[in-house]
Amino acid sequence: GESVGLHLPTLSVQEGDNSIINCAYSNSASDYFIWYKQESGKGPQFIIDIRSNMDKRQGQRVTVLLNKTVKHLSLQIAATQPGDSAVYFCAESNGGGFKTIFGAGTRLFVKA
Amino acid sequence: DAGVIQSPRHEVTEMGQEVTLRCKPISGHNSLFWYRQTMMRGLELLIYFNNNVPIDDSGMPEDRFSAKMPNASFSTLKIQPSEPRDSAVYFCASSSEGFSSNQPQHFGDGTRLSIL
Repeated sequence: GESVGLHLPTLSVQEGDNSIINCAYSNSASDYFIWYKQESGKGPQFIIDIRSNMDKRQGQRVTVLLNKTVKHLSLQIAATQPGDSAVYFCAESNGGGFKTIFGAGTRLFVKA
Repeated sequence: DAGVIQSPRHEVTEMGQEVTLRCKPISGHNSLFWYRQTMMRGLELLIYFNNNVPIDDSGMPEDRFSAKMPNASFSTLKIQPSEPRDSAVYFCASSSEGFSSNQPQHFGDGTRLSIL
């Protein structure tokens, strides 16, 4: 029979709207968090990061929010554009080690 | 600035053959990572090096897989013998992180490997 692969959550938004991609992380000891964007045929590309001593960080059109109480991370993209269509991964890391754990990813689809 | 460079971009070979994937990390980065990405399992860490030394190879699936980093600017991932289930996209990433300072990993564009 056919194998079951990963079924990525999909977020569909209208061009110009804001997007919010959510992520639940697993390790309460993680102190560094990163968002990556992966376009078709390319490797994951670093977007923005945040350390555990912060709860919000802003970049160009992107904002990352960290809620350590519930182990939740979100990526907000303002004025979403067709070029933002991609799979977005959150990742967590524990200071003192090198291992970064990646989430399964969320597919963002932007409708023109 | 040159990013992480991987070669080849695509590799198609028959099962049983030896496959060698190559990676040149970003100059100045001291950590290097090999990942495998499939639809079934997503992104899996295979092995990582720090200062050319393998730190954790617990993600390497079998003895058929081996990785080396002979110097700071070059690493290889070898599969011998290859099997159809090894078909995947293999990514190399590098970072400048150390024990007290986390830094993001920067990825190459991957090698798409197909074993027939």
